[in-house]
Amino acid sequence: EIVLTQSPATLSLSPGERATLSCRASQSVITYLAWYQQKPGQAPRLLIYDASNRATGIPARFSGSGSGTDFTLTISSLEPEDFAVYYCQQRYNWPPITFGQGTRLEIK
Amino acid sequence: EVQLLESGGGLVQPGGSLRLSCAASGFTFSNYGVGWVRQAPGKGLEWVSIVTDNGERTEYADSVKGRFTTSRDNSKNTVYLQMNSLRVEDTAVYYCAKCKTPGLALHFDHWGQGTLVTVSS
Repeated sequence: EIVLTQSPATLSLSPGERATLSCRASQSVITYLAWYQQKPGQAPRLLIYDASNRATGIPARFSGSGSGTDFTLTISSLEPEDFAVYYCQQRYNWPPITFGQGTRLEIK
Repeated sequence: EVQLLESGGGLVQPGGSLRLSCAASGFTFSNYGVGWVRQAPGKGLEWVSIVTDNGERTEYADSVKGRFTTSRDNSKNTVYLQMNSLRVEDTAVYYCAKCKTPGLALHFDHWGQGTLVTVSS
């Protein structure tokens, strides 16, 4: 099973700042990694698929990078609506499909 | 517009059974795999199961293997999750989610709103 480890667990930033979230895989997932955003009481929303491709309707301030075992989600300038929990997910080696434990992005 | 609507959640005693449904619309249902993902209260996301577009292949997390069964009826645009021998630790919001591209590209681009399953005596 591929374990995904996200860091930090919590990130405290202010609107307008740049956010950098990390996801590290226990073995290579090539570029088969996605990022999701989840707000309280809502279903997850796909942001990035295959490491660097923005999903339909996702603003350009969200970008993904990385390959192999190390991946990054960057939000270039935080908007108030971006404060949420973010999860990474791999689809390279399954079953099982695995998710990271999440990074909570909170307002400083 | 793609929509997924789960139903069938509720309160059940340990050892009991429940069947969840996921009704889909707005896309060619028979072309896409569908997964189930759950989220225990205050916890992260946990993949539960997946069913291929034609229903011929299913896969399960170890935590539910042998107890849960996923199936689909392409004539009704619906996926099911039959949950037997339920445990307290199965308590969660259960989401169904559509695979992003035809086949088994296992990133999920549309999700239902979730249905709560509570296992308690």
